[in-house]
Amino acid sequence: DAGVIQSPRHEVTEMGQEVTLRCKPISGHNSLFWYRQTMMRGLELLIYFNNNVPIDDSGMPEDRFSAKMPNASFSTLKIQPSEPRDSAVYFCASSLFGGVEAEAFFGQGTRLTVV
Amino acid sequence: DQQVKQNSPSLSVQEGRISILNCDYTNSMFDYFLWYKKYPAEGPTFLISISSIKDKNEDGRFTVFLNKSAKHLSLHIVPSQPGDSAVYFCAASARSSNTGKLIFGQGTTLQVKP
Repeated sequence: DAGVIQSPRHEVTEMGQEVTLRCKPISGHNSLFWYRQTMMRGLELLIYFNNNVPIDDSGMPEDRFSAKMPNASFSTLKIQPSEPRDSAVYFCASSLFGGVEAEAFFGQGTRLTVV
Repeated sequence: DQQVKQNSPSLSVQEGRISILNCDYTNSMFDYFLWYKKYPAEGPTFLISISSIKDKNEDGRFTVFLNKSAKHLSLHIVPSQPGDSAVYFCAASARSSNTGKLIFGQGTTLQVKP
């Protein structure tokens, strides 16, 4: 398996524009996470899906953020409209919940810059 | 509300010596703990984990200790090598509550000097 695949790797956009980040989890994994890395809060959990269903979205900062998981092999994180303070590295991770070990595997991240 | 805290933003040690990274948590429901390592421009990678039924888990140069009464865990790296220089994140999960949600700390940047 190629691991968790995120696209794009880098995104530069203007304030007010819509941004869509994409994630393909590891095949067979049933849990998917979106994290945002910041200096102050480290890896901040935005939303968590289990079997394609959003279980906990309490970390989503505002209504400008939304996430979907239409099937087991694809998820998106959308920011509309984007603001400069959204600039960060966004990670997607997947895991097999219910397995012997619960480690999550991370993608390489999307570095978002909003100017 | 930071449920997992790493109070030391950075740590510098000499090659060959021991590195000790610390992590505290507040949620008593957490029963599974993990450490991840992150290099620049890469995603975090899993390093070692420990279940709450244990107080120690060892894997080569890496050992994780868990003190449940103090809600504290630590990662020991012995001996430290320059290639260990990275950001280390601890994470916690409440598996017994039927959720795989992973909560991470802020990270500690380790620098191992040759």
